Amino acid sequence: DAGVIQSPRHEVTEMGQEVTLRCKPISGHDYLFWYRQTMMRGLELLIYFNNNVPIDDSGMPEDRFSAKMPNASFSTLKIQPSEPRDSAVYFCASSRYLSGGRSYEQYFGPGTRLTVT
Amino acid sequence: ILNVEQSPQSLHVQEGDSTNFTCSFPSSNFYALHWYRWETAKSPEALFVMTLNGDEKKKGRISATLNTKEGYSYLYIKGSQPEDSATYLCASRSYNTDKLIFGTGTRLQVFP
Repeated sequence: DAGVIQSPRHEVTEMGQEVTLRCKPISGHDYLFWYRQTMMRGLELLIYFNNNVPIDDSGMPEDRFSAKMPNASFSTLKIQPSEPRDSAVYFCASSRYLSGGRSYEQYFGPGTRLTVT
Repeated sequence: ILNVEQSPQSLHVQEGDSTNFTCSFPSSNFYALHWYRWETAKSPEALFVMTLNGDEKKKGRISATLNTKEGYSYLYIKGSQPEDSATYLCASRSYNTDKLIFGTGTRLQVFP
């Protein structure tokens, strides 16, 4: 398997522009997570999906952020309008439910480095 | 403890030294503790997932222990090598959620 795929890898945009980040999870994984990594706050969970349904979006900073998962193989994170403080690395991760009460490891994509000027 | 805390924040050791660092997490409602290894310019990779008090896991020269009653986990690296240089993250998961709460990591640098 190719692993979790994210695009673009780098994005530079001007303040006020719309930004869309994309993620393709590992085939067969039924959980998808969006994280943001900054120097100040480390790795923070923004939102996660289970079977394409958003379960917890309490980490989404504000209304400017939205995420969708129209099918099991694709998710987007959109920022509109973007602001300089949104500059960060955004990671997507996927995992597969394990029966028997086991906790499952998450597989991370390579990340998208977003710079908003 | 309300958050996941890791110490030390950074560590510099010589090749061949053994080292260990700590992850503290909320013990109430605990479900699982994850360790990840994160090399610069790459993405985090899972090392261990532990759930039971007293769990010990090992992968090569790296091992981890878990104490769920007092809310801490130790990660040990025996005979550190330069290729062990990375940030080591721990993350805690509580019951009734699939969320992982990450610590800020311990950045390890191993000098030849």
